[in-house]
Amino acid sequence: QKEVEQNSGPLSVPEGAIASLNCTYSDRGSQSFFWYRQYSGKSPELIMSIYSNGDKEDGRFTAQLNKASQYVSLLIRDSQPSDSATYLCAGPYLYAGNMLTFGGGTRLMVKP
Amino acid sequence: GAGVSQSPSNKVTEKGKDVELRCDPISGHTALYWYRQSLGQGLEFLIYFQGNSAPDKSGLPSDRFSAERTGGSVSTLTIQRTQQEDSAVYLCASSEGGAPNSPLHFGNGTRLTVT
Repeated sequence: QKEVEQNSGPLSVPEGAIASLNCTYSDRGSQSFFWYRQYSGKSPELIMSIYSNGDKEDGRFTAQLNKASQYVSLLIRDSQPSDSATYLCAGPYLYAGNMLTFGGGTRLMVKP
Repeated sequence: GAGVSQSPSNKVTEKGKDVELRCDPISGHTALYWYRQSLGQGLEFLIYFQGNSAPDKSGLPSDRFSAERTGGSVSTLTIQRTQQEDSAVYLCASSEGGAPNSPLHFGNGTRLTVT
């Protein structure tokens, strides 16, 4: 089992809808997670960090961490075509010196 | 401030030649990662440096690949006797350290094409 797993998608949502992206992880000791957005042909860019159980909101983005169920999610409200990208979830692998490991990414398509 | 810098941005080489890719991390960042990303694929972990610890080389695909990090700063990824399947974007990233709250910051990558 990979340390961090994501559904590859594509996830297709209409413009203005809420996009929900999910990630599961295997390392129960992981304390913090990061969401990255990667546009085609570009490098990943950090969009959200979450360090504790519960929700964290930043503009149209909400990250949710549920340690008991070992999943982390990213909600994008009022989705825009410009949100179309691949979203990568990353978390530390404690048995490898806290090396960050990435999920395979979920491709999001927001249709006008 | 300055971000992660990678050079060259593009490299075209003939099959069988050696190439060196350079990464200059954010100043003060102790952790440095190399990834490879083929077209339409996810990030493939290659190697991880953390401070003065021995690097985690578990992702290097063959003994043709090696990496060094001099003085805890600049890193060089070397690919010997390049093959066409080595064609990909090579991404470098750095973070403040091995602490679990340290996100990665990526460079713009080096696009390697082996002809």
